[in-house]
Order: sequence, then C-alpha cells, then structure tokens
Amino acid sequence: DIQMTQSPSFLSAAVGDRVTITCRASQSISTALNWYQVKPGKPPRLLIFAGDRLESGVSSRFRGSGWGTEFTLTVTGLHSEDFATYFCHQSHSVPWTFGQGTNVEVK
Amino acid sequence: QVQLRESGPGLVRPAETLSLSCTVSAGSISTYYWNWIRQPPGKALEWIGYSYYTWSSEYNPSLKGRVSISVDTTKNQFSLTLNSVTAADTAIYFCARANKLPYVYYFDSWGQGIQVSVSS
Repeated sequence: DIQMTQSPSFLSAAVGDRVTITCRASQSISTALNWYQVKPGKPPRLLIFAGDRLESGVSSRFRGSGWGTEFTLTVTGLHSEDFATYFCHQSHSVPWTFGQGTNVEVK
Repeated sequence: QVQLRESGPGLVRPAETLSLSCTVSAGSISTYYWNWIRQPPGKALEWIGYSYYTWSSEYNPSLKGRVSISVDTTKNQFSLTLNSVTAADTAIYFCARANKLPYVYYFDSWGQGIQVSVSS
C-alpha cells in the first residue's frame, strides 16, 4: 500500500495568514493526489484534484502543487471559514489511501 | 447538484453483517464510481472499495474478502455489505462518488457519514 504522510497534524493560524500543508507519498504517485476539507457535521468537500486542479466553486486562495512524492496545499489569506480539517488522498494505486489529516485551528 | 445520503443501522453485533445503503439524489447512478470510505475513531480515513455501475468493482485487500458493494439502478442506490464484523469495524462510514480523469480518481461528492458501532 502507498503510505501518505501528512504534516503538520495541527496548525494554529490567524485570519489573513498563509498556511501550507504537506503530503508525502511512500512512492511516486505522479499527480494522482487530491485535497479535501472537512468541517463538523458536513460532508467532506473536494478542493483540489490531480495535484493542482481547482474544483469548480472553490476559492482561488486554495492552491495545490507537487508531483511524484511531495505535494502541498497552500491557503493564501486565510478566511474564518477555512478553519477546518484538511486531508490528502492518493488514487494512483489500489488501495487508495489518505493522509492522517491536518486540523487548522484559530490562533 | 448530486447529493448522497447514507442509511442503515447504527449498531451491529459482532460476527454479524453490516449493511448500509447510499441514496443518490439529483444525479444518475449509471456512470461514475460509487465508493464507501470509513473512519475509525482517532484514525485516518480508509477506502473500502467502489462499484462502477454494475460492471466492475475494486476492494481494499485489507478487508480480506468480507466486503461487497452493489449498485441498484432502479432505486438510484448503492450498498455496502461487510461480513463477520468485529469491534475494529466500528467507524463513521461515508459514501462518495468518484469521478475519473485518465490518470486520477477523485471524490467529488460525499455523504455526511453514518456512525456504525459493533458491540454486543
């Protein structure tokens, strides 16, 4: 199985901050990497797919980048509604696997 | 916009079968990849498997042949069956739709999740 190591697990930030979350794959996954946002009581929401493609309706302050084994999700100019949990997901090889998640909290 | 909703029992006894359904609204079930994903308490999400219409399916080998996912086009639903459950199967279970590019699958719609506990 491909292991996805996501860091950090927790991140404290303020409105307006730039935050970066990293996912590392245990082997190359090309650009088969997606990012999701989760808030309590709501379904997970797709933000970025195929490494750097912004899902329709998602703010351009979210940006994905990377290839191979290292990927990042950057949120530029954090909004109050961005405090949530984020996780990555690889679909290069079955079984598809997820990162452990990053909880972005208010500083 | 497509919506997904999980339904099923919240409590299952050990060694019995867990059965969940996912109703798909405002969208056809005859395309896309229909998935189940779960999150045990304090752990990462775990992909369980998918069914592509009624043609093919893929499952996580970690579930060792205990799992089956089927699509019912007459009800616009898809279902999860997990046999011989243990306490380790206690989790929040999500249904999700996967879309596909030539080289990547991604979950573009999710249900809210349903808590399932395995206990006597």
